[in-house]
Amino acid sequence: AQSVAQPEDQVNVAEGNPLTVKCTYSVSGNPYLFWYVQYPNRGLQFLLKYITGDNLVKGSYGFEAEFNKSQTSFHLKKPSALVSDSALYFCAVRDSRFGGATNKLIFGTGTLLAVQP
Amino acid sequence: DAGITQSPRHKVTETGTPVTLRCHQTENHRYMYWYRQDPGHGLRLIHYSYGVKDTDKGEVSDGYSVSRSKTEDFLLTLESATSSQTSVYFCAISESIVPGTSLDTQYFGPGTRLTVL
Repeated sequence: AQSVAQPEDQVNVAEGNPLTVKCTYSVSGNPYLFWYVQYPNRGLQFLLKYITGDNLVKGSYGFEAEFNKSQTSFHLKKPSALVSDSALYFCAVRDSRFGGATNKLIFGTGTLLAVQP
Repeated sequence: DAGITQSPRHKVTETGTPVTLRCHQTENHRYMYWYRQDPGHGLRLIHYSYGVKDTDKGEVSDGYSVSRSKTEDFLLTLESATSSQTSVYFCAISESIVPGTSLDTQYFGPGTRLTVL
């Protein structure tokens, strides 16, 4: 079955420290992976995605994600956290069934990032 | 929010009443999606559209119907609302579904919070 797991409901980090939000996936074929961020009472905003190529993907607001095929992981990282990074983060993978002919996304349950000043 | 509006933004209704949510886009994107967001489930796809009058079911389509008579509008209807349909509903759009390009990225609207009493 295709799925995405975000093992941590919440991640706490002090401002200025590096942050990691974890994501693992299970999908047949090549994975297309996404990270989105949701601020309170807002829709989801696209951060970055992995298609192919370089395992380190850079995205918006200084975020990056590392694709690791052997560990089936796509962890989101930032070298120095800001209080304004506090939000709900979602990992998603494109459904690869039907030859990937649809653009259905399978989302994880989300991780709340809390950055303390 | 990428030229996507949703209406209403908030709605409280009673069990058994019909409800229609509207998604309007100004991006002229071909593909549109309806998701619901629930704690512990992340986002789940309800229905999607790959063109005017072309729609298909997603993961949690029971109790929902959709219509798309114009490129810019995608309507989600709950024929007879139930308390289990209390949720936050998000619309998303994408220009393409071809993987490996920037065009398959989904962009989300601000959401509609629906409460069914």
